[in-house]
Amino acid sequence: DQQVKQNSPSLSVQEGRISILNCDYTNSMFDYFLWYKKYPAEGPTFLISISSIKDKNEDGRFTVFLNKSAKHLSLHIVPSQPGDSAVYFCATKIMNTGFQKLVFGTGTRLLVSP
Amino acid sequence: DGGITQSPKYLFRKEGQNVTLSCEQNLNHDAMYWYRQDPGQGLRLIYYSQIVNDFQKGDIAEGYSVSREKKESFPLTVTSAQKNPTAFYLCASSIDQGVAFFGQGTRLTVV
Repeated sequence: DQQVKQNSPSLSVQEGRISILNCDYTNSMFDYFLWYKKYPAEGPTFLISISSIKDKNEDGRFTVFLNKSAKHLSLHIVPSQPGDSAVYFCATKIMNTGFQKLVFGTGTRLLVSP
Repeated sequence: DGGITQSPKYLFRKEGQNVTLSCEQNLNHDAMYWYRQDPGQGLRLIYYSQIVNDFQKGDIAEGYSVSREKKESFPLTVTSAQKNPTAFYLCASSIDQGVAFFGQGTRLTVV
């Protein structure tokens, strides 16, 4: 039962263009979201987060948008670079027996071609 | 250099054997976690620990065990009861329940 869904397993974009990665969630009570980037055979690295009190958070080339009514968030990368080619996971924090655990989507593989 | 160290990077296990994956952090983080990644799936939580000598089962704890005797260390044992242990295992840590930082992972293969 996926609580965080990334419906696009892959995305191909040309260098310099915008990459848009999407994520849907099931519970309107979720209030904090994170994006992680992962290269093959490495651990994920934290990219950017957003709290439900905001609808946008920007960090350099990366912007996350949150649409609470649609239970949808998206990560925009502008401009995309070949080094951005990786798997991107969205995640949310869920309270479980007094402890917040991170729940991840299945990931979207981004390929940025020169 | 602060960080999370997982060892070994690659591990091979024979059927029926227990094997222990190491995770050490020098970030002074209280919380530590173990996740498993399978192809086409997200990261699934195996066990987590908020404090020394305390740990909780995650979503897929069956066939695994952990200990937290020191703040810096959170080893994961994959027991023979785990029916499908071949996967990429990731350890993470965080300050309280903030952003989690991950190690480089251990790829376990059953031969």
